[in-house]
Amino acid sequence: GAVVSQHPSWVICKSGTSVKIECRSLDFQATTMFWYRQFPKQSLMLMATSNEGSKATYEQGVEKDKFLINHASLTLSTLTVTSAHPEDSSFYICSASRTSGSTHEQFFGPGTRLTVL
Amino acid sequence: AQSVTQLDSHVSVSEGTPVLLRCNYSSSYSPSLFWYVQHPNKGLQLLLKYTSAATLVKGINGFEAEFKKSETSFHLTKPSAHMSDAAEYFCVVQSGYSTLTFGKGTMLLVSP
Repeated sequence: GAVVSQHPSWVICKSGTSVKIECRSLDFQATTMFWYRQFPKQSLMLMATSNEGSKATYEQGVEKDKFLINHASLTLSTLTVTSAHPEDSSFYICSASRTSGSTHEQFFGPGTRLTVL
Repeated sequence: AQSVTQLDSHVSVSEGTPVLLRCNYSSSYSPSLFWYVQHPNKGLQLLLKYTSAATLVKGINGFEAEFKKSETSFHLTKPSAHMSDAAEYFCVVQSGYSTLTFGKGTMLLVSP
């Protein structure tokens, strides 16, 4: 159990277009999901925390108008990169938090490779 | 506040020899600590986690890590490296219900 999927796994788009990435928890409900960004050969940086039914909480330095997050259900969060530019090219990884008793464990999706031309 | 330092950006070993990936952390509260592995262009896979139970934690694929509070360390070890272990490894700290903080990663290279 505890499987998280992302779609698409990779996407190439033109500069100025918008791209939507989906993150789904397949076999559990996740009130909280997280979006990370990973540059080549670097670590994961938390972009935002997505809470079902409320606004996302963005980390310092992350533009909320550029990276739109919607967590409309307990199994789905979406990240939309608006007016994408080449510097937005990156590996985007989501995770979903599963609560079991007093523990909150994060399960990671396989990631989405975004390339902006 | 919490932080994690992975002391080596790259570690090279020969197949069949021991692996040691070092990690030091700082945390205001009793931390949870994790090791994740990431193969190229893949997501993260949890190797093992420490959550205030036994200090020696055994994970998947023969990996284990020991939580040493006095040294604020959580080093990852494996007795005998396999070619398939070549990947990026991340040490991660979490204090209470806070978000995860990732180390910068250690690339493990395994030669035949």
